[in-house]
Amino acid sequence: DGGITQSPKYLFRKEGQNVTLSCEQNLNHDAMYWYRQDPGQGLRLIYYSQIVNDFQKGDIAEGYSVSREKKESFPLTVTSAQKNPTAFYLCASSIWQGDQPQHFGDGTRLSIL
Amino acid sequence: RKEVEQDPGPFNVPEGATVAFNCTYSNSASQSFFWYRQDCRKEPKLLMSVYSSGNEDGRFTAQLNRASQYISLLIRDSKLSDSATYLCVVNGGDTGFQKLVFGTGTRLLVSP
Repeated sequence: DGGITQSPKYLFRKEGQNVTLSCEQNLNHDAMYWYRQDPGQGLRLIYYSQIVNDFQKGDIAEGYSVSREKKESFPLTVTSAQKNPTAFYLCASSIWQGDQPQHFGDGTRLSIL
Repeated sequence: RKEVEQDPGPFNVPEGATVAFNCTYSNSASQSFFWYRQDCRKEPKLLMSVYSSGNEDGRFTAQLNRASQYISLLIRDSKLSDSATYLCVVNGGDTGFQKLVFGTGTRLLVSP
């Protein structure tokens, strides 16, 4: 089955620690995205990537980093510089055209210990 | 003004009822429109795209009014399983980049 796999489902971060969230897709989509969702708020774009080895900051990139070494993979690192990391993180992918919808993985919940 | 605005609800309706949600968007250059459904603590799932001519998928009908910059979703014959949050999603307007702007969602509760 084609889809987007995020891992882990739950993650706990200690003070001063960097953590990495995994996102893998087998939909052969060129574009991948990372969002953050906080209670009562809409999804906010952290980073996106149109093609391998290229990525762009979204609206709330500070404290996060990404890489895109393979088409299938777009890991997100939440660095210690992100002072409020507790949120639901969602990875998405799409065909790179303006009228195509995005499809989401089942998310990772990150909390601070 | 928010880029995409929705009434947060909740909309409480009995099974079998018809319910409608509206959503307004601020960017007149937006070209693509979607409704997503999100269950509690789950990922958003695409419900339907919204086309200029309006479109229907079973019990769900979506309409787009470009002049007034709003999108609607009509659900007929509500089922208990329709209980969820419905997200209005709009393309940011740059056709070369699929930046989607998400509304905060409208919560629907269908009761027996």
